[in-house]
Parts: sequence; C-alpha cells; structure tokens
Amino acid sequence: KNEVEQSPQNLTAQEGEFITINCSYSVGISALHWLQQHPGGGIVSLFMLSSGKKKHGRLIATINIQEKHSSLHITASHPRDSAVYICAPRGSQGNLIFGKGTKLSVKP
Amino acid sequence: ETGVTQTPRHLVMGMTNKKSLKCEQHLGHNAMYWYKQSAKKPLELMFVYSLEERVENNSVPSRFSPECPNSSHLFLHLHTLQPEDSALYLCASSLGQGAYNEQFFGPGTRLTVL
Repeated sequence: KNEVEQSPQNLTAQEGEFITINCSYSVGISALHWLQQHPGGGIVSLFMLSSGKKKHGRLIATINIQEKHSSLHITASHPRDSAVYICAPRGSQGNLIFGKGTKLSVKP
Repeated sequence: ETGVTQTPRHLVMGMTNKKSLKCEQHLGHNAMYWYKQSAKKPLELMFVYSLEERVENNSVPSRFSPECPNSSHLFLHLHTLQPEDSALYLCASSLGQGAYNEQFFGPGTRLTVL
C-alpha cells in the first residue's frame, strides 16, 4: 500500500467548475505540502499546512490531522490551472513523501 | 521563477559519457536536495545537503555522485548511466532542513540515456 494516496488520478473539468483533489496518507506527519507541476516539469509549492485551512486566491487547502486527510480545492477553475497536483506529507524525519499526483485538465 | 535554477534543461548522453547537472540558488537557503522523477512514478528523494554536508543518501547507485561546494550550488555528477536512469532530475532548496521549511524547486533537467 502506498503511503500517500491521491484521488482522482486524472480529472477533466470545464472552465468555471469547482474542483476537489483528495489526499490520504498513512505516515505520521508534522506538515503537508501541496505542489503544482506544469507540463514543462517545474514544480511550485502551493501550500504548506499543519492544521486547519489555508486560502490563496482561488485555491483552498484543508487538512485533518486525526483522519490523515487533506484536500485541495480550486474555485472557478481556468485552463491555466491545468497541471499535475502533488500531495506531499512530511515524514517523521522531515523529508517529503510524494503522492503520484492528480493530473488536472480544465477545458475552456 | 522560484529562485532555483538548473542547467542544462535537457541532456542526452550515452552510457559511457560523464556529465554533470548544476543547481544554483541565491535565496540564502542552507539545505539543498536532488530528486528523481521517472515516468508515472512519484518523486524520489536522492540526496540532501544541509550546510554543505550530505545528510541523506537514499540508497542511490554510485554512478550518481553529488557535490555541494558551497551553500548556493549543488551538482550531480553522472557516469556510466543506464537507460533506466532517464528521468526528470529536480533540485530544490529550503531555508533549513526542518519539518516546517518550504522547499523551492528548480525547473528540472530532462535526462535521456541512450
């Protein structure tokens, strides 16, 4: 069993739709990161959170430490949001443990 | 732009070649990382340097040799690679190595081994 499970693996949405990507993990963590990887390969850190909820523009990330679950929401999705979204909790030794990613495609 | 640069962006090499990947950051960070991303697999941590000392080596074959001459630069020296080493190699840096330090990623080097 993978330590980090993301769902769905692939997601196609119409522009303007509300999107949710889920992440469940089995490792004990101190913090969890959501990353965005564009087709060229570069990775951008979207959020780092250890409790509750964070919001940045149209992006919202939530985490439930007790349930070992985090979600990334995108409101009013846009084609430029098309990317792979990666959940990465931190293991007990501080290193990131990466999910396989969710490939999002937003159609105009 | 994340403040972390990598060169080259693309590299094609034969199995007998020797090449080096370079990573540079001027963010004042003290920790630097090499990751490997193979097709359809999660990112894998290869090496971690903190204050120019290697603090983690995740069972990486010796044909990959990291070097951190100072806190702003990180190299990955490659020799006698195999075709299965073809992947995207990503560098990252963070202020410290602790749990709450955000990592900033470079654009990656797309490596193809023929």
